[in-house]
Amino acid sequence: AQSVTQPDIHITVSEGASLELRCNYSYGATPYLFWYVQSPGQGLQLLLKYFSGDTLVQGIKGFEAEFKRSQSSFNLRKPSVHWSDAAEYFCAVDTSYSGGGADGLTFGKGTHLIIQP
Amino acid sequence: GAGVSQSPSNKVTEKGKDVELRCDPISGHTALYWYRQSLGQGLEFLIYFQGNSAPDKSGLPSDRFSAERTGGSVSTLTIQRTQQEDSAVYLCASSYLGGGETQYFGPGTRLLVL
Repeated sequence: AQSVTQPDIHITVSEGASLELRCNYSYGATPYLFWYVQSPGQGLQLLLKYFSGDTLVQGIKGFEAEFKRSQSSFNLRKPSVHWSDAAEYFCAVDTSYSGGGADGLTFGKGTHLIIQP
Repeated sequence: GAGVSQSPSNKVTEKGKDVELRCDPISGHTALYWYRQSLGQGLEFLIYFQGNSAPDKSGLPSDRFSAERTGGSVSTLTIQRTQQEDSAVYLCASSYLGGGETQYFGPGTRLLVL
């Protein structure tokens, strides 16, 4: 079965500094890859996704992520964080391909991002 | 357009009571998903509906959980004889098609079982 690992439970970053959140997955093929953000009391908002093609994907709010097949990783980056970026970030994989059955998303445990002024 | 909506936003119930949680997907989306988010287990996939097809119920935590989708649109997740371990946030998502399409999430229903 597939799994997703987000090794950092909490990360603290100063406002204006760069950010990288790590995500590794375990699956026999390349799944669809997603990053979602959840603010307190809110649902999940999609930041970006990787299906195929260019391994560097751009998302909303200035985020980007790079897919590295050799490392089974899909790390999220932002060059300069803002206080409003404080939230919970979830990496997820989807192993159900178009036209096939759906297994739902498999999520990592999340990384809680704290922004220091 | 309107996003995924869920009701109620909060539900407090007593152990042993039944609860119904409702999800309205984005108009035109054929796929609908239910997830549970709890402190101990994180985000867990529960069940998936594609149109009017019968769902695969193997992801439901116990036989006290059931779900239905009427007319390929609105879905209801029912928990019978609630237990304290059912306390969680229940999230619904929809996508235009199934299998790999982007899922759009609702705000969730926060369930507390006393």
